[in-house]
Amino acid sequence: EDQLLESGGGLVQPGGSLRLSCAASGFNFSNYVMGWVRQAPEKGLEWVSIISGGGGSMYYVDSVKGRFTISRDNSKNTLYLQMNSLRAEDTAIYYCAKGRNFGVVIIWGQGTVVTVSS
Amino acid sequence: TVLTQSPATLSLSPGERATLSCRASHNIGSHLVWYQQKSGQPPRLLIYDASNRATGIPGRFSGSGSGTDFTLTISSLEPEDSAVYYCQQRRNWPYTFGQGTNLEIK
Repeated sequence: EDQLLESGGGLVQPGGSLRLSCAASGFNFSNYVMGWVRQAPEKGLEWVSIISGGGGSMYYVDSVKGRFTISRDNSKNTLYLQMNSLRAEDTAIYYCAKGRNFGVVIIWGQGTVVTVSS
Repeated sequence: TVLTQSPATLSLSPGERATLSCRASHNIGSHLVWYQQKSGQPPRLLIYDASNRATGIPGRFSGSGSGTDFTLTISSLEPEDSAVYYCQQRRNWPYTFGQGTNLEIK
């Protein structure tokens, strides 16, 4: 069974950093597009970043460009999101997402909560 | 691309038919995805590329449309269909979601 398990969320002060991880199991990780989608409290969904199976193509939503970096280690079946210069508006549940192809999420993780507050 | 979903809230009884709309600000072809999100859970894929049901999704869920106007239809509502339904375009990055339709089963 395909599974995604996020970790690394927590409470951080504005301007701080966090690194999210997503451990994948049950499928050939390197064959799939992966990404991060977030959901602010009582709000809708927002794509944050996406990365191709081989890691050569990455895309970011404008609001996180220059602050967040997506990466993957296919030898460890793990996806990462390095988040720097965090802002209050980055507060959200961050979901790890496995893509059927670019933009179609077939498996979602349970999410990890990031809270940016002083 | 901005996606506008209507109605914002829908309240129907079991067995009734639900029709949820999603309108795109630009032509997105058939690159439209529907997700269902129940309270406290991550979303679940229902429909991809406008009309293709995802694996394991019951036949009462169907999607249609192309260009700028799309519809998710639930033919005969079950109590477990109570959820927020989101459309999402994957025609252009950044992929964007609609604001959601909250479907309540009476």
